[in-house]
Amino acid sequence: NAGVTQTPKFQVLKTGQSMTLQCAQDMNHNSMYWYRQDPGMGLRLIYYSASEGTTDKGEVPNGYNVSRLNKREFSLRLESAAPSQTSVYFCASYRAGAYNEQFFGPGTRLTVL
Amino acid sequence: DAKTTQPPSMDCAEGRAANLPCNHSTISGNEYVYWYRQIHSQGPQYIIHGLKNNETNEMASLIITEDRKSSTLILPHATLRDTAVYYCIVRVASNTGKLIFGQGTTLQVKP
Repeated sequence: NAGVTQTPKFQVLKTGQSMTLQCAQDMNHNSMYWYRQDPGMGLRLIYYSASEGTTDKGEVPNGYNVSRLNKREFSLRLESAAPSQTSVYFCASYRAGAYNEQFFGPGTRLTVL
Repeated sequence: DAKTTQPPSMDCAEGRAANLPCNHSTISGNEYVYWYRQIHSQGPQYIIHGLKNNETNEMASLIITEDRKSSTLILPHATLRDTAVYYCIVRVASNTGKLIFGQGTTLQVKP
């Protein structure tokens, strides 16, 4: 199992450009999440999808859109990137049950100039 | 979900036990205590969680006080690879699985 994979690993954008961050999991988890982490800070939830076909806002959704393409894939789109969106973006999936733990991807390091 | 308070940083000697405290004085009866850690720039990793009883797994032990207002994560024999940011999170176990991260404790294990 690859677990949670994210692409790309690094990206540099200019202000106003758009891009989509991709996330996929092969663990058959129902729930998936997007977080951002600014330097020296904890992770903040952007959007999540409790199950295929549903999405909900987290703590910091402004400037982002998401798509739960299927059970495996959950993408995050920046329509018009701003320097304030410079951050590390983590995707996670969730296994309900005995452990109720989230599995995180390796992150995408995004810089907006 | 209840708020948690952790010290911003701690040091520990290699081979010794690392005891990381967490205060969650407003925890509700149906809220669990979760611990995750984040090793330099990687995605966070689940460590352990508990409701009332003390818990132990291959990575750590979790001690929850009887009134559940605080807890301690114990790494019994810390190694240099345990240097990381440790997050204590309190939440209701639910189907959505949302986690709200605080600032965490940066644990530095020293040789």
